[in-house]
Amino acid sequence: GAVVSQHPSWVICKSGTSVKIECRSLDFQATTMFWYRQFPKQSLMLMATSNEGSKATYEQGVEKDKFLINHASLTLSTLTVTSAHPEDSSFYICSVTGTTYNEQFFGPGTRLTVL
Amino acid sequence: AQSVTQLDSHVSVSEGTPVLLRCNYSSSYSPSLFWYVQHPNKGLQLLLKYTSAATLVKGINGFEAEFKKSETSFHLTKPSAHMSDAAEYFCVVSDDYKLSFGAGTTVTVRA
Repeated sequence: GAVVSQHPSWVICKSGTSVKIECRSLDFQATTMFWYRQFPKQSLMLMATSNEGSKATYEQGVEKDKFLINHASLTLSTLTVTSAHPEDSSFYICSVTGTTYNEQFFGPGTRLTVL
Repeated sequence: AQSVTQLDSHVSVSEGTPVLLRCNYSSSYSPSLFWYVQHPNKGLQLLLKYTSAATLVKGINGFEAEFKKSETSFHLTKPSAHMSDAAEYFCVVSDDYKLSFGAGTTVTVRA
């Protein structure tokens, strides 16, 4: 399966600042990547689908101007949380699609804490 | 529309005893079904997947799951629990490129 990395693994920031999270597919060219968020003791919720070279598709209720996604290459997608607030504190996980359309490989996640 | 219901939010077993995690699904098409495991503050690891081949699916670390279409179930089992099996387990369904996650089952293993 594909190997996916995320950077940073954890980040603490002040309220009002912006934070960028990187998702890299290390051994696989990923035309599609997914971003999820997971609140403590809860399941994963899909935020958006990131397509290389085009605009991301956001799920209902996810603010596209707050969560900026850029998928500029086949190996890198970035999620920028703009003007972060404490309620944005969460575990953010990315995934890439494998050789079959519904098989996904997940990154290790990024823990964001907004003070 | 697709959805998953994990019937147990928490399962506690003794080391060396069987583990059963229950999952029911709803899907408009022939679904693909997955079980993932997540250890604390870690990403998800695929345990096994069903994609319309054999109904009994064997995965890693001794886990297996049986797809029962008549019962719309995909329960996960392991004959003998190990301490390292303590984690969060997610049942996942997909009938297109999106995955829908169950709420998760927390497994604790008693020594």
